[in-house]
Amino acid sequence: DTGVSQNPRHKITKRGQNVTFRCDPISEHNRLYWYRQTLGQGPEFLTYFQNEAQLEKSRLLSDRFSAERPKGSFSTLEIQRTEQGDSAMYLCASSAQGQGGEKLFFGSGTQLSVL
Amino acid sequence: AQKVTQAQTEISVVEKEDVTLDCVYETRDTTYYLFWYKQPPSGELVFLIRRNSFDEQNEISGRYSWNFQKSTSSFNFTITASQVVDSAVYFCALSGVPGSARQLTFGSGTQLTVLP
Repeated sequence: DTGVSQNPRHKITKRGQNVTFRCDPISEHNRLYWYRQTLGQGPEFLTYFQNEAQLEKSRLLSDRFSAERPKGSFSTLEIQRTEQGDSAMYLCASSAQGQGGEKLFFGSGTQLSVL
Repeated sequence: AQKVTQAQTEISVVEKEDVTLDCVYETRDTTYYLFWYKQPPSGELVFLIRRNSFDEQNEISGRYSWNFQKSTSSFNFTITASQVVDSAVYFCALSGVPGSARQLTFGSGTQLTVLP
């Protein structure tokens, strides 16, 4: 399967712990996006990479959040000192470079529960 | 700022009925793109359609059709002869072009339930 892969599918953690999620995009895609989705809402943009460069970050991405894409392939999203409000589905998407309006391919997400 | 409004939170229909999902958007850009995505219970968002702001021609793909009206800033989605497998959350989304808000802005989604 050559779709977008996210691991783990589910993560349960205690408040104050650090968590890290991984996203493997479609191999030929140079753009990678992270979104967060809470129950009953649409996905909200967090950050975006073009190759290894992080080009855009949402105001939703507090200092406790950090994302990397070290070699322009897979990406990690780390949340430090988790809070109950961080509980959400974290979605990764990738796309090929275009002039805007690219079709995004999404992974199945990582469901985070902070107790 | 971009905004997408899907006023219908939940819709239930009986199989074979037609159903229309509404989407209204706001943007200051003259060039932009509109999308519909489907999110089945498995969670993975599936792309359905993309339209750019210069193409107001309506589109039909099998049982799916889309009505883009720039004058009312709407991009509505109709499913004809609905089927149980159409049950999912449907999201309308908007994105800009380089130099604008590139990322997708999603509406809050419409939960469609098709009853047998």
